[in-house]
Amino acid sequence: QITLKESGPTLVKPTQTLTLTCMFSGFSLSTSGVGVGWIRQPPGKALEWLALIYWDDDKRYRPSLKSRLTITKDTSKNQVVLTMTNMDPVDTATYYCAHSPSSSSYANWGQGTLVTVSS
Amino acid sequence: EFVLAQSPGTLSLSPGERATLSCRASQSISSDYLAWYQQKPGQAPRLLIYGASSRAIGIPDRFGGSGSGTDFTLTISRLEPEDFAVYYCQYYGTSAIFTFGPGTKVDIK
Repeated sequence: QITLKESGPTLVKPTQTLTLTCMFSGFSLSTSGVGVGWIRQPPGKALEWLALIYWDDDKRYRPSLKSRLTITKDTSKNQVVLTMTNMDPVDTATYYCAHSPSSSSYANWGQGTLVTVSS
Repeated sequence: EFVLAQSPGTLSLSPGERATLSCRASQSISSDYLAWYQQKPGQAPRLLIYGASSRAIGIPDRFGGSGSGTDFTLTISRLEPEDFAVYYCQYYGTSAIFTFGPGTKVDIK
């Protein structure tokens, strides 16, 4: 059974850096073709893809946010970390991590974590 | 800029009716990389369809995907009460960038 769970702060101040951790089980991020991505959803709005890291450490970012995002993995700990710098109230959203078994879609999702940006 | 447009924004139907949801790409895309998700309030999205027409594990056969080029369709043959939700299409495109559509809400008429 594949599970993912996001963790991190629920409240951050403007200009601060957000660090989110995705702990997963049921698959290995060292398996060829596998990736873990981050997707966010502002309240009442659509899904917005942020970043993806592949089994071979290849990383992809949303172009408009690339300068603010960093994604890393620790295969031995089964975790993926996303950092986003210079947080702004418009970054308030539920942040999801998700498992991509074949690089083209997300078959398994975490429950999401709501991050509010406010002073 | 690559964009996915979904229509209609909201679809009001009754249980038992057929739902037809559209996803249109701003340029021709490979159907291999087109997926559909269902999201219910307060829940994470769930993968329904990948490769434009392949059902994900555990997805009932009343859900079907089709299309090619720029026009793709998600069809729910007979709506069950649990199918009222928001549906997103998603494309995995050039440079391994993912794009989601704005969603179609299917609500009860």
